[in-house]
Amino acid sequence: DGGITQSPKYLFRKEGQNVTLSCEQNLNHDAMYWYRQDPGQGLRLIYYSQIVNDFQKGDIAEGYSVSREKKESFPLTVTSAQKNPTAFYLCASSMSLGLPNKGEQYFGPGTRLTVT
Amino acid sequence: QKEVEQNSGPLSVPEGAIASLNCTYSDRGSQSFFWYRQYSGKSPELIMFIYSNGDKEDGRFTAQLNKASQYVSLLIRDSQPSDSATYLCAVNQGAQKLVFGQGTRLTINP
Repeated sequence: DGGITQSPKYLFRKEGQNVTLSCEQNLNHDAMYWYRQDPGQGLRLIYYSQIVNDFQKGDIAEGYSVSREKKESFPLTVTSAQKNPTAFYLCASSMSLGLPNKGEQYFGPGTRLTVT
Repeated sequence: QKEVEQNSGPLSVPEGAIASLNCTYSDRGSQSFFWYRQYSGKSPELIMFIYSNGDKEDGRFTAQLNKASQYVSLLIRDSQPSDSATYLCAVNQGAQKLVFGQGTRLTINP
């Protein structure tokens, strides 16, 4: 059963603690992405990776870090430097650009992080 | 100026009617366009994509693209209460990234 998994579904942390969100895919997709969604808002790109051992900052990378050691996995660490970490975090993946792929991304179920 | 703009709604449509959702984008080099449906508390689900001018139909959904006007729309025919969700427009601007609008909340009234 192919898909993207994120764990845990809900995560609670105290302020000042780093926390790592898991994202795994078995779709054989090359590219993976992390987004953040706040209530009533669209998706904002945190980091993305087009190939193993390489990743780029998105629009709101400050306070976050990632790694891409395996094609299937793209974990996101929310550090204590992130000022407003409470949000819904979404991981997505995509095939490399080129026919028939036009850049469509597929999302995991998300992790809802609450920091108090 | 936002790169991808949508009316945040809420858009309220009676059951059985046509729901029309609109999206404009600022980058003329944008190449492909996507509509995602997001139910409350869930992740976005891809429902349509289009990359050529004109209409593309899939069941009750029709995506329309007008690159000259930098406008993409989604029509939902015979709207059902299960269509009530937030619809996100996303645009691929040539890099392997999507830019998302803020979403339009659609409510179908029985």
